[in-house]
Amino acid sequence: NAGVTQTPKFQVLKTGQSMTLQCAQDMNHEYMSWYRQDPGMGLRLIHYSVGAGITDQGEVPNGYNVSRSTTEDFPLRLLSAAPSQTSVYFCASSYPMAGGRGYGYTFGSGTRLTVV
Amino acid sequence: AQSVSQHNHHVILSEAASLELGCNYSYGGTVNLFWYVQYPGQHLQLLLKYFSGDPLVKGIKGFEAEFIKSKFSFNLRKPSVQWSDTAEYFCAVNSYNTDKLIFGTGTRLQVFP
Repeated sequence: NAGVTQTPKFQVLKTGQSMTLQCAQDMNHEYMSWYRQDPGMGLRLIHYSVGAGITDQGEVPNGYNVSRSTTEDFPLRLLSAAPSQTSVYFCASSYPMAGGRGYGYTFGSGTRLTVV
Repeated sequence: AQSVSQHNHHVILSEAASLELGCNYSYGGTVNLFWYVQYPGQHLQLLLKYFSGDPLVKGIKGFEAEFIKSKFSFNLRKPSVQWSDTAEYFCAVNSYNTDKLIFGTGTRLQVFP
Protein backbone atom coordinates (compact mmCIF):
# COMPACT_ATOMS: atom_id res chain seq x y z
CA ASN A 1 0.00 0.00 0.00
CA ALA A 2 1.30 3.45 -0.90
CA GLY A 3 1.84 5.82 1.97
CA VAL A 4 4.10 6.65 4.88
CA THR A 5 5.36 3.74 6.99
CA GLN A 6 6.71 4.26 10.49
CA THR A 7 8.45 1.69 12.63
CA PRO A 8 8.31 0.73 15.40
CA LYS A 9 4.77 1.50 16.57
CA PHE A 10 5.73 1.35 20.24
CA GLN A 11 9.08 1.63 22.01
CA VAL A 12 10.26 1.89 25.60
CA LEU A 13 13.77 3.22 26.23
CA LYS A 14 15.87 3.78 29.29
CA THR A 15 17.31 7.23 29.88
CA GLY A 16 20.56 7.57 27.94
CA GLN A 17 19.81 4.91 25.37
CA SER A 18 19.87 5.71 21.69
CA MET A 19 17.53 4.60 18.97
CA THR A 20 16.31 5.41 15.48
CA LEU A 21 12.71 5.86 14.47
CA GLN A 22 12.23 4.79 10.88
CA CYS A 23 10.10 6.54 8.29
CA ALA A 24 9.70 5.47 4.68
CA GLN A 25 7.44 6.67 1.87
CA ASP A 26 6.89 5.22 -1.57
CA MET A 27 5.18 8.19 -3.20
CA ASN A 28 8.36 9.90 -4.42
CA HIS A 29 7.60 12.97 -2.32
CA GLU A 30 10.48 15.39 -1.97
CA TYR A 31 9.46 16.89 1.34
CA MET A 32 9.44 14.88 4.58
CA SER A 33 9.10 15.97 8.18
CA TRP A 34 8.99 14.72 11.76
CA TYR A 35 6.54 15.97 14.38
CA ARG A 36 6.07 15.16 18.03
CA GLN A 37 2.67 15.25 19.66
CA ASP A 38 2.29 16.10 23.33
CA PRO A 39 -0.92 16.70 25.31
CA GLY A 40 -2.07 20.30 25.10
CA MET A 41 0.70 21.26 22.69
CA GLY A 42 -0.52 19.89 19.38
CA LEU A 43 2.04 18.73 16.85
CA ARG A 44 5.38 20.45 16.81
CA LEU A 45 7.86 20.23 13.97
CA ILE A 46 11.20 18.61 14.92
CA HIS A 47 13.13 18.41 11.65
CA TYR A 48 12.26 18.49 8.00
CA SER A 49 13.85 17.76 4.65
CA VAL A 50 13.12 19.28 1.26
CA GLY A 51 14.96 16.55 -0.62
CA ALA A 52 17.71 13.96 -0.46
CA GLY A 53 20.80 15.38 1.20
CA ILE A 54 18.97 18.44 2.61
CA THR A 55 17.67 18.74 6.16
CA ASP A 56 16.77 21.61 8.44
CA GLN A 57 15.60 22.22 11.97
CA GLY A 58 12.03 22.78 12.95
CA GLU A 59 10.55 24.17 16.13
CA VAL A 60 11.92 21.62 18.64
CA PRO A 61 15.11 20.05 17.19
CA ASN A 62 17.21 19.63 20.34
CA GLY A 63 18.05 16.02 21.17
CA TYR A 64 17.25 14.73 17.69
CA ASN A 65 19.25 14.13 14.54
CA VAL A 66 18.07 13.37 11.03
CA SER A 67 19.57 12.48 7.70
CA ARG A 68 18.13 12.06 4.23
CA SER A 69 20.32 9.85 2.08
CA THR A 70 17.46 8.75 -0.17
CA THR A 71 14.14 10.25 -1.23
CA GLU A 72 12.28 7.36 0.38
CA ASP A 73 13.75 7.33 3.90
CA PHE A 74 13.92 9.93 6.65
CA PRO A 75 15.05 8.37 9.97
CA LEU A 76 14.91 10.27 13.26
CA ARG A 77 17.68 9.53 15.75
CA LEU A 78 17.61 10.02 19.49
CA LEU A 79 21.26 10.04 20.57
CA SER A 80 20.68 9.95 24.34
CA ALA A 81 17.04 9.54 25.25
CA ALA A 82 15.55 11.66 28.03
CA PRO A 83 12.16 11.38 29.77
CA SER A 84 11.20 14.71 28.15
CA GLN A 85 11.26 12.91 24.81
CA THR A 86 8.39 10.68 25.83
CA SER A 87 5.87 11.47 23.13
CA VAL A 88 4.10 10.27 20.04
CA TYR A 89 6.12 10.86 16.90
CA PHE A 90 4.61 11.35 13.46
CA CYS A 91 6.39 11.34 10.15
CA ALA A 92 4.85 13.09 7.16
CA SER A 93 5.65 13.44 3.50
CA SER A 94 4.25 16.10 1.25
CA TYR A 95 3.93 17.05 -2.38
CA PRO A 96 3.48 20.38 -4.13
CA MET A 97 -0.06 21.18 -5.18
CA ALA A 98 -0.82 22.12 -8.76
CA GLY A 99 -0.39 25.77 -9.57
CA GLY A 100 2.15 26.36 -6.81
CA ARG A 101 -0.58 26.50 -4.20
CA GLY A 102 1.31 24.97 -1.34
CA TYR A 103 1.60 21.36 -0.28
CA GLY A 104 -0.56 18.33 0.51
CA TYR A 105 0.45 16.04 3.35
CA THR A 106 0.38 12.33 4.16
CA PHE A 107 1.03 11.21 7.73
CA GLY A 108 2.34 7.94 9.09
CA SER A 109 0.54 6.04 11.85
CA GLY A 110 2.90 7.24 14.57
CA THR A 111 5.43 5.83 17.03
CA ARG A 112 4.61 5.94 20.73
CA LEU A 113 7.88 6.36 22.61
CA THR A 114 8.28 6.14 26.38
CA VAL A 115 11.57 7.01 28.04
CA VAL A 116 11.91 5.78 31.61
CA ALA B 1 6.05 33.62 11.42
CA GLN B 2 2.92 31.59 11.01
CA SER B 3 0.95 30.50 14.03
CA VAL B 4 -2.35 28.76 14.61
CA SER B 5 -4.61 29.26 17.62
CA GLN B 6 -7.30 26.91 18.80
CA HIS B 7 -8.96 28.53 21.75
CA ASN B 8 -11.18 25.62 22.77
CA HIS B 9 -8.92 23.12 24.49
CA HIS B 10 -11.62 20.77 25.71
CA VAL B 11 -15.24 20.62 24.57
CA ILE B 12 -17.89 18.37 26.09
CA LEU B 13 -21.20 17.87 24.28
CA SER B 14 -24.20 15.61 24.35
CA GLU B 15 -25.14 13.68 21.25
CA ALA B 16 -27.15 15.71 18.72
CA ALA B 17 -25.70 18.99 19.95
CA SER B 18 -24.17 21.34 17.42
CA LEU B 19 -20.42 21.81 17.29
CA GLU B 20 -18.21 24.73 16.40
CA LEU B 21 -14.47 24.64 17.01
CA GLY B 22 -12.51 27.84 16.54
CA CYS B 23 -9.30 28.20 14.55
CA ASN B 24 -7.44 31.42 13.91
CA TYR B 25 -4.16 31.81 12.11
CA SER B 26 -1.65 34.56 11.73
CA TYR B 27 -0.06 34.95 8.34
CA GLY B 28 -0.39 37.77 5.86
CA GLY B 29 -0.06 35.79 2.67
CA THR B 30 -2.08 33.15 0.88
CA VAL B 31 -2.61 29.99 2.87
CA ASN B 32 -3.98 26.48 2.67
CA LEU B 33 -6.05 25.42 5.68
CA PHE B 34 -6.67 21.96 7.07
CA TRP B 35 -8.60 20.23 9.80
CA TYR B 36 -7.30 16.87 10.99
CA VAL B 37 -8.94 14.45 13.39
CA GLN B 38 -7.28 11.91 15.63
CA TYR B 39 -9.51 9.23 17.13
CA PRO B 40 -8.31 7.62 20.37
CA GLY B 41 -5.28 5.46 19.70
CA GLN B 42 -5.20 6.27 16.01
CA HIS B 43 -3.17 8.48 13.74
CA LEU B 44 -4.12 11.72 12.06
CA GLN B 45 -6.79 11.72 9.40
CA LEU B 46 -7.66 14.60 7.11
CA LEU B 47 -11.20 15.90 7.73
CA LEU B 48 -11.24 18.67 5.17
CA LYS B 49 -9.06 21.25 3.50
CA TYR B 50 -9.35 24.65 1.89
CA PHE B 51 -7.10 25.73 -0.96
CA SER B 52 -9.19 28.25 -2.89
CA GLY B 53 -12.69 28.91 -4.20
CA ASP B 54 -15.85 28.51 -2.14
CA PRO B 55 -14.96 29.45 1.44
CA LEU B 56 -17.44 26.92 2.82
CA VAL B 57 -15.74 23.55 2.66
CA LYS B 58 -17.47 20.25 3.25
CA GLY B 59 -15.49 17.31 4.56
CA ILE B 60 -16.06 13.75 5.64
CA LYS B 61 -18.53 12.58 8.29
CA GLY B 62 -20.76 15.67 8.02
CA PHE B 63 -18.12 18.20 9.01
CA GLU B 64 -17.74 21.55 7.33
CA ALA B 65 -15.56 24.61 7.81
CA GLU B 66 -15.81 28.20 6.73
CA PHE B 67 -12.82 30.28 5.72
CA ILE B 68 -13.29 33.93 6.66
CA LYS B 69 -10.29 35.75 5.28
CA SER B 70 -11.03 39.05 7.02
CA LYS B 71 -11.04 37.29 10.39
CA PHE B 72 -8.15 34.93 9.64
CA SER B 73 -10.43 32.13 10.78
CA PHE B 74 -11.28 28.62 9.67
CA ASN B 75 -13.85 27.31 12.15
CA LEU B 76 -15.01 23.71 12.06
CA ARG B 77 -18.71 22.94 12.39
CA LYS B 78 -21.06 19.99 12.58
CA PRO B 79 -24.81 20.41 13.05
CA SER B 80 -25.34 17.28 15.17
CA VAL B 81 -22.47 15.39 16.80
CA GLN B 82 -22.37 11.69 17.51
CA TRP B 83 -20.62 9.71 20.22
CA SER B 84 -18.23 8.45 17.53
CA ASP B 85 -17.00 12.04 16.98
CA THR B 86 -15.13 11.84 20.29
CA ALA B 87 -11.58 12.65 19.21
CA GLU B 88 -8.96 15.35 19.12
CA TYR B 89 -9.21 17.91 16.35
CA PHE B 90 -6.30 19.86 14.93
CA CYS B 91 -6.32 22.91 12.71
CA ALA B 92 -3.26 23.41 10.50
CA VAL B 93 -1.97 26.03 8.10
CA ASN B 94 0.46 25.89 5.22
CA SER B 95 1.40 28.92 3.20
CA TYR B 96 1.96 28.80 -0.53
CA ASN B 97 5.65 29.58 -0.36
CA THR B 98 6.79 27.23 2.39
CA ASP B 99 6.80 23.49 2.93
CA LYS B 100 5.96 23.71 6.62
CA LEU B 101 2.61 22.66 8.03
CA ILE B 102 1.92 24.48 11.29
CA PHE B 103 -0.54 22.95 13.74
CA GLY B 104 -2.70 24.38 16.45
CA THR B 105 -2.58 22.87 19.92
CA GLY B 106 -5.69 20.79 19.30
CA THR B 107 -9.18 20.59 20.77
CA ARG B 108 -10.30 17.52 22.63
CA LEU B 109 -13.96 16.76 21.96
CA GLN B 110 -15.93 14.41 24.19
CA VAL B 111 -19.44 13.48 23.16
CA PHE B 112 -21.68 11.75 25.68
CA PRO B 113 -24.71 9.66 24.70
